[in-house]
Parts: sequence; C-alpha cells; structure tokens
Amino acid sequence: DTAVSQTPKYLVTQMGNDKSIKCEQNLGHDTMYWYKQDSKKFLKIMFSYNNKELIINETVPNRFSPKSPDKAHLNLHINSLELGDSAVYFCASSQEFTGELFFGEGSRLTVL
Amino acid sequence: AQTVTQSQPEMSVQEAETVTLSCTYDTSENNYYLFWYKQPPSRQMILVIRQEAYKQQNATENRFSVNFQKAAKSFSLKISDSQLGDTAMYFCASGGGADGLTFGKGTHLIIQP
Repeated sequence: DTAVSQTPKYLVTQMGNDKSIKCEQNLGHDTMYWYKQDSKKFLKIMFSYNNKELIINETVPNRFSPKSPDKAHLNLHINSLELGDSAVYFCASSQEFTGELFFGEGSRLTVL
Repeated sequence: AQTVTQSQPEMSVQEAETVTLSCTYDTSENNYYLFWYKQPPSRQMILVIRQEAYKQQNATENRFSVNFQKAAKSFSLKISDSQLGDTAMYFCASGGGADGLTFGKGTHLIIQP
C-alpha cells in the first residue's frame, strides 16, 4: 500500500491551461504539504495544511490554489500555467510533533 | 526563518570508502528536528536518518551516522563502506511541526565502482 500517493506522475500541457494534481495519504497524519522542486533540485515549501486548515502559504502566485476536502487529501490546482511552473511537485504528510515528512513520488509538470 | 546550507554541490568517492557530507543550519527554535533525505534518480525522497535536537547522542542507522554539533549548528552525515546504490542527491533539512521542513540545496553524491 502506497502511504502518500500523487496523481498524475507526469503532466505535459500548454501555457495558459489549468491543471490539478491530487494527493492522498493513508497514514492518518494531521498535516499535509506541497513542495516544489525546481530544475536545480531545490525543494521549497508552498503550502501546509493541518486538519484541513491552511497553515502556511508561502509566496506563490495566486494561480496556485490548494484544497483539502478532508485530512487525508490535499489537491493542488494551477490556473493559467506558465513556463516557469515547470517543476516536480511533491506532496508530503507528517504527524504533528515528529517532524518527519513522508513524501509522495512527485508529479513532474512540463509546460510547453 | 530557518536556513540550511550544504556547501558541497557534488562529491565523488570510490566504492567502499567513507564519505562525509556537510550541513549547517540556522534556527531560532528551541525544539526542532534534523534530517538527511536521499533522492536517487527515481526521484523518490527517502529518509536516511533523523536527529532530535534535544538529544545529545548522535543518531546512527547501519552505515549512516551523523555528527551533530548543536552549538555550532552543524549536522554532517557520514556514510561508511559506501555502495553503488548510495549514488543520489542528499538533502539536509531542519524544522518540524506544521511549518514543515526547510531543505538545503543538496549534495550530489557519486559512488564510483
């Protein structure tokens, strides 16, 4: 059983399109995150949700909107995609006070 | 704000050698955690080792061990008897809780046969 799963794993799309990435965790964790890994492999947090409430919203464009329908799911919707959005997006989860992040396999987004 | 610095963009060693990856961090938190994650070409993020900052004893996990110097804010990773499968990007990270982890820029470790 995959602990943190993301779909799709690969996404190729045109500039200006809207796309979503879905994430689910079956670990019973309270907190979920979206991280962006750029072409230089740098990992930066985008959003953090704790029990469906937004905790962190780093400086990302308004075109990025996370949604957490329940504690086990955190989806990422991106409007009006730009070339610079091309990256690998990682979903992760953690149990409060343990610190350890459990990562999904990542979703590679390519914007043409 | 937390910062994590990995000063070695790339390292290369021979199989079976010992290698040490450097990491320094800065935080204003009293309670925090430190981690090393490995990212092989498959791009999966894999936890290598974890250290609670309040524990003085250095964490070890089989061939992997850390040298945690709290006052110096240093957290290096030692890999003993390196294997070809250790080839990967290694990320140092600090933090914990709902704020997530702050990652360094990574060290690309290459194990040569």
